[in-house]
Amino acid sequence: NAGVTQTPKFRVLKTGQSMTLLCAQDMNHEYMYWYRQDPGMGLRLIHYSVGEGTTAKGEVPDGYNVSRLKKQNFLLGLESAAPSQTSVYFCASRKGLISYNEQFFGPGTRLTVL
Amino acid sequence: DQQVKQNSPSLSVQEGRISILNCDYTNSMFDYFLWYKKYPAEGPTFLISISSIKDKNEDGRFTVFLNKSAKHLSLHIVPSQPGDSAVYFCAASARMGGSQGNLIFGKGTKLSVKP
Repeated sequence: NAGVTQTPKFRVLKTGQSMTLLCAQDMNHEYMYWYRQDPGMGLRLIHYSVGEGTTAKGEVPDGYNVSRLKKQNFLLGLESAAPSQTSVYFCASRKGLISYNEQFFGPGTRLTVL
Repeated sequence: DQQVKQNSPSLSVQEGRISILNCDYTNSMFDYFLWYKKYPAEGPTFLISISSIKDKNEDGRFTVFLNKSAKHLSLHIVPSQPGDSAVYFCAASARMGGSQGNLIFGKGTKLSVKP
């Protein structure tokens, strides 16, 4: 049981390049999330999904797109990377809304945009 | 406007003593609160939570206290151990109001436990 995994762990991009971050969970969770963490800023929600085929905007969605084609995967895309997107990205999943249950986080992806 | 505030960026405590981490919130709709612990280069891990119908929840060395009237919660670690050195995030959620129970995080408090 791997929990939440993220690919890649590190990436360096040039301004204007695109990339996709992959998140996978093997806990059959309904909800999945993408956060970014910047120094002194805590964790901020980018996009989230409440089930396969659904996505919704979080607090800081601009410059990012997401897709949830399969229940176990949640992809975060950067179409044209900017230096302001240099950050550590965390994916998380949660069982569902019915009960108060915690989010489980992946190990993170450190992205640098030059 | 920050809805969840951790006003102490850092805290240093001697091993064996009590660590008290504080968190304030502004949204009265929040009804579930969590603490996460984060080591460098790792993802946050869930530590303990509390529902708004309770004022205290205990799990081993960790106790969370909730004061709804003051919109304040605190995490007590007794006794503190060097392995507790990490960044601690307070988070809050509201089941009602269309937020889907999304978590709002504070900026974190870095705890250092000195041997």
